[in-house]
Amino acid sequence: QSVLTQPPSASGTPGQRVTISCSGSSSNIGSNYVYWYQQLPGTAPKLLIYRNNQRPSGVPDRFSGSKSGTSASLAISGLRSEDEADYYCAAWDDSLSGHVFGTGTKVTVL
Amino acid sequence: EVQLVESGGGLVQPGRSLRLSCAASGFTFDDYAMHWVRQAPGKGLEWVSGISWNSGSIGYADSVKGRFTISRDNAKNSLYLQMNSLRAEDTALYYCAKLGLPGGLVGWFDPWGQGTLVTVSS
Repeated sequence: QSVLTQPPSASGTPGQRVTISCSGSSSNIGSNYVYWYQQLPGTAPKLLIYRNNQRPSGVPDRFSGSKSGTSASLAISGLRSEDEADYYCAAWDDSLSGHVFGTGTKVTVL
Repeated sequence: EVQLVESGGGLVQPGRSLRLSCAASGFTFDDYAMHWVRQAPGKGLEWVSGISWNSGSIGYADSVKGRFTISRDNAKNSLYLQMNSLRAEDTALYYCAKLGLPGGLVGWFDPWGQGTLVTVSS
């Protein structure tokens, strides 16, 4: 059962900006870092953003993360066809003493 | 290059047991916590369990607590998940993942293995 809530889908045309929200609570997003993962079809998840807004080397700067209170968001600017994937937010939850994931958002490039 | 290779998945009857393994290479295994994350067919990601570098800290999701046991052998660069009393709802692709920074259980997962499929069915 997912503790973090995301919209099930998002879409845009090539070049557009898409934003995905992630809503949590004080025990997870409100008091811990947020991470984002990208899962391309048929592949394992890949780290996209760590510590709310940090990009690992190799991740294009078209991807950006932010956090405010108990919510976070991922923005994809200059949308490209290869960005079609499922995106998951995640955080540590102090109450559960475990990691929690978002419900996932499927991004479609029209 | 960091590599994580899971094995041990398969078809198992409800109530039976299975042991998953994850072979790690390309990094100093005993510096990092390791985790198991699963994904049921067509569903989202669910954290299953994690173990710190020295096995001093261990955590489980409520859905597997009391049935699954995580362990590691630093001499063999290997992570394990002993799964007992398996249920149909445990059917999933099980990924092992390395924590992104040395130390305890909290952090980001990077990288992930390719996963091993566990199917629980009679």
